[in-house]
Amino acid sequence: SAVISQKPSRDICQRGTSLTIQCQVDSQVTMMFWYRQQPGQSLTLIATANQGSEATYESGFVIDKFPISRPNLTFSTLTVSNMSPEDSSIYLCSAGADTGELFFGEGSRLTVL
Amino acid sequence: DAKTTQPNSMESNEEEPVHLPCNHSTISGTDYIHWYRQLPSQGPEYVIHGLTSNVNNRMASLAIAEDRKSSTLILHRATLRDAAVYYCILRPTNFGNEKLTFGTGTRLTIIP
Repeated sequence: SAVISQKPSRDICQRGTSLTIQCQVDSQVTMMFWYRQQPGQSLTLIATANQGSEATYESGFVIDKFPISRPNLTFSTLTVSNMSPEDSSIYLCSAGADTGELFFGEGSRLTVL
Repeated sequence: DAKTTQPNSMESNEEEPVHLPCNHSTISGTDYIHWYRQLPSQGPEYVIHGLTSNVNNRMASLAIAEDRKSSTLILHRATLRDAAVYYCILRPTNFGNEKLTFGTGTRLTIIP
């Protein structure tokens, strides 16, 4: 199993600023993903965080808005850039092996004013 | 990506078995069937997964149809703590595409 820690757990930010969310896994994992969950909705995949290379983004998400780093097998960051109120959401990190179960963090609740 | 179809909501009485259905008629041979659940104010939690054979673990059982076009998650004895949104997801295993794409899930309500 893997335990995933996300920081910050919640934040309130001003429009036009950027916030970086950190995801730390307690063991080495091959796969890491970032999701967004808006109030009352299901999870939407933002991107796959690739170790040592550029992230793979899903349709509707771009690197300039959501830059992602993954310097090693246990850590990744997601930055939400130039935030607007529409970016208010819960951002979740997920990690696991190529097959089998994926583990999720508790999420980072972001409110943009 | 192959998609799944689940009922939007279900209710069950406490201490009774619950059968949560999922249809996935376009499943490919390399797709694993995964189930996750999300309790209120928490991240999703892995429940069970399988490929072709039925699977059991401490949380639940997964019954997979012979043609793999549908599956059923079985909670043997529901408790109030099992109230959550349950997601049935097909996870590809081809290299570079092993992501989980969530649908809308089934909101399970447990009646005391």
